[in-house]
Amino acid sequence: SQQGEEDPQALSIQEGENATMNCSYKTSINNLQWYRQNSGRGLVHLILIRSNEREKHSGRLRVTLDTSKKSSSLLITASRAADTASYFCATDATYFGNEKLTFGTGTRLTIIP
Amino acid sequence: DSGVTQTPKHLITATGQRVTLRCSPRSGDLSVYWYQQSLDQGLQFLIQYYNGEERAKGNILERFSAQQFPDLHSELNLSSLELGDSALYFCASTGSGGSGNEQFFGPGTRLTVL
Repeated sequence: SQQGEEDPQALSIQEGENATMNCSYKTSINNLQWYRQNSGRGLVHLILIRSNEREKHSGRLRVTLDTSKKSSSLLITASRAADTASYFCATDATYFGNEKLTFGTGTRLTIIP
Repeated sequence: DSGVTQTPKHLITATGQRVTLRCSPRSGDLSVYWYQQSLDQGLQFLIQYYNGEERAKGNILERFSAQQFPDLHSELNLSSLELGDSALYFCASTGSGGSGNEQFFGPGTRLTVL
């Protein structure tokens, strides 16, 4: 079963605009990660935010985490055509001290040139 | 390139058959994870190995099994295949396997069961 649900399921924006994706999860977490997947290919790690952090930046990416609402958002600024991909949040469900990632349903982002 | 390799890239087989998917983790990584990605179930964690031993189990069917060898490569065995097993199978690796680690994903094996 999915721990996280991304919202929206699909998003289309013009190149240069900002894209915001949201993720909600159900149980307490140690950290939350965002991954990108280009069509049918492997996932690429984007950013990790720990449960005691509220905001994190990496280049054009900004992630926020609200543990009280069990939600996170990923903001991509100044979008580019190459950002077209599916984006997944993933939470850890520490299992006997080892990380087992549980992925959300994903947001399909399309950047229109 | 993540440094994780998976073979084969594509696999087409018939119901009832058995297949083996192979994964080589990044150099030095001890932990290997297997995931299944299908349209209806999304990305599901199957199983994790750390330095040759099973560490965590997810939604892995009894028809599926895995192992990690002394050279740290891993194999996922799928038997008595059903149409619903058609999916992308990914492996990922990390160094220690503990919480808070980025996982490096391989390119995946696309399995089609006819």
